[in-house]
Amino acid sequence: GQNIDQPTEMTATEGAIVQINCTYQTSGFNGLFWYQQHAGEAPTFLSYNVLDGLEEKGRFSSFLSRSKGYSYLLLKELQMKDSASYLCAAGDSNYQLIWGAGTKLIIKP
Amino acid sequence: IAGITQAPTSQILAAGRRMTLRCTQDMRHNAMYWYRQDLGLGLRLIHYSNTAGTTGKGEVPDGYSVSRANTDDFPLTLASAVPSQTSVYFCASSEGLGADTQYFGPGTRLTVL
Repeated sequence: GQNIDQPTEMTATEGAIVQINCTYQTSGFNGLFWYQQHAGEAPTFLSYNVLDGLEEKGRFSSFLSRSKGYSYLLLKELQMKDSASYLCAAGDSNYQLIWGAGTKLIIKP
Repeated sequence: IAGITQAPTSQILAAGRRMTLRCTQDMRHNAMYWYRQDLGLGLRLIHYSNTAGTTGKGEVPDGYSVSRANTDDFPLTLASAVPSQTSVYFCASSEGLGADTQYFGPGTRLTVL
């Protein structure tokens, strides 16, 4: 079957670094997405990886290992506004996205 | 302002009633999607459309229907609502198929009593 696993909740301190892991199992693979979703709002796109390696975009970086079915989202210099849920999604062979349940990130001052 | 709009923002509905959730995008995207989001679960695809005039079933299509008469609009209809359809519904669009970045509307919070 198809499955995405990510931690339910994580807590980190303002100014610190946090890594949110995601493992996936899909029939076929067409890229790995990370989205951010603030409470009561719509998901918004953060990053996309289709090749192995690290993609850096400002304070956010995303890593992919296709052989391990593994990705992580790295957030640096955490700010209070980064408190949100982070959704991992993998594209399958039908070009549809399979979504994880999301990781709720709590930032403490 | 370019983007996706959904209506209504929220709705309380009696079981057995018919309801249509509206979704309109002005980005001229080919693909559109309807998801439901429930606590503790990932977004689940209800129906999708790769282009105007075509639709397809997602993971949880039962009890829902869609139409795609033109590029911009993608309404979702609940023919006879049941309490298990209480959820937050998100419409999304992308330029091409699912591997393209998807852009989401603000969501509709639906409660079926």
